[in-house]
Formats: sequence, structure tokens, C-alpha cells
Amino acid sequence: AQSVTQLGSHVSVSEGALVLLRCNYSSSVPPYLFWYVQYPNQGLQLLLKYTSAATLVKGINGFEAEFKKSETSFHLTKPSAHMSDAAEYFCAVSHSGSARQLTFGSGTQLTVLP
Amino acid sequence: SAVISQKPSRDICQRGTSLTIQCQVDSQVTMMFWYRQQPGQSLTLIATANQGSEATYESGFVIDKFPISRPNLTFSTLTVSNMSPEDSSIYLCSVSPRGAGNTEAFFGQGTRLTVV
Repeated sequence: AQSVTQLGSHVSVSEGALVLLRCNYSSSVPPYLFWYVQYPNQGLQLLLKYTSAATLVKGINGFEAEFKKSETSFHLTKPSAHMSDAAEYFCAVSHSGSARQLTFGSGTQLTVLP
Repeated sequence: SAVISQKPSRDICQRGTSLTIQCQVDSQVTMMFWYRQQPGQSLTLIATANQGSEATYESGFVIDKFPISRPNLTFSTLTVSNMSPEDSSIYLCSVSPRGAGNTEAFFGQGTRLTVV
């Protein structure tokens, strides 16, 4: 079985500050890990993914995430927050590379303060 | 990538009625999925829409309540039957294109359903 825990349902940062959204996973096999972003009234957009290649993954809009097996974590970061980053962020895990087996975390709402 | 068009984008329906949601993809895709996102919650997979055969439903979801069609590799529908206020959610279509190795899923903009 696999699961995802996102610590903090709401995160607020000031514009220009570091963004850190936490994700821990549980998987009995080597996982594939994803971060999705959902802007208001829109669907989900893939930010980045880890598929057992480089542990530091760079995504769109300046986001990156680092896979740490020892900590079972895949935290999402961005050095400098923009107002346009305000959205809901979902971490997801799958095993065996199957999109059908995606399990999503509960989501983190990011607020960017001016 | 894949461009997904989902209709309607939103609707308000009377309890006891049914709503059919359409999902159109701009390219042939191997796998199509339907998710539900209840208010303030994460996504839950309803079923996998299989081309040419019956959909595969996840635990807690049944065909009588959520019948699914997939007549070809670019189109699928999800019907929410005999609706109640508890069915108020965002319903999302998702696809995994050919060539993506089934590791990546793309999402439509969703259908925001309110049942009154």
C-alpha cells in the first residue's frame, strides 16, 4: 500500500520568501512521485515528477523538489515566492510507474502575502 | 502532453436527476481516469475508463451510481446518477498519453457540480 502525507494544510509566505511545502510518502516499492498545482477553478497541472533518475528534480515556474529516500520525503521548494504562486498544491505517489495507481495527499493551500 | 476538454465546466442540478460529464482529448490516450474532489478534500479515483470494455471501479464506487462510457481512445463520459447533495464535488477527467510510459497523468479543468 502507498500513502502520502502533506504536513500543513495551509502555508503562508511573504512575496520573495522561500516556499517550502512538505510531503512524506509511504510505499513498499520504489515510488514515482509527483507535485501538482491547482489554481482556483482550474484542474491540476503537473509541476514536476521523480521517476528514479536524478534525486533533485526541477519543474516549471521555478519549483524544484528533492527525493530523500532516507527521510521518505519529497518536499517542494521555490527560492522566491511570487503572488502568482498562490494555489493549492498536491503531492502524489504511484508505484510501478502506473498512472492508475496515483494516490494524492490532502493538499496544501499556499497563500502569498504582499 | 495532452489537451483535455471537459464539459460542462459547472452545473447546478436537482436531487434525483442525473448529469453526464464529457471528456475529450486531443490525441489518442491509453488510459483515462475519473476522479472526484469533494469540498476541501483531495482527489479520489472513481474508476479507470477502458476502451471497448467495462470500466474498472475503485472501492466504494459502483457502476449503477457512476456509469462510464469510453467508445474510443479520445473520449469518455461519466454519469452521476440519482444525485444527492453529497455528490456535490469537482469531477476531473485525467489521461495518461501513449509514450508517457504510464507514469504521468494530465488533468482536465474539472466539472464543478452542485446538487440542490
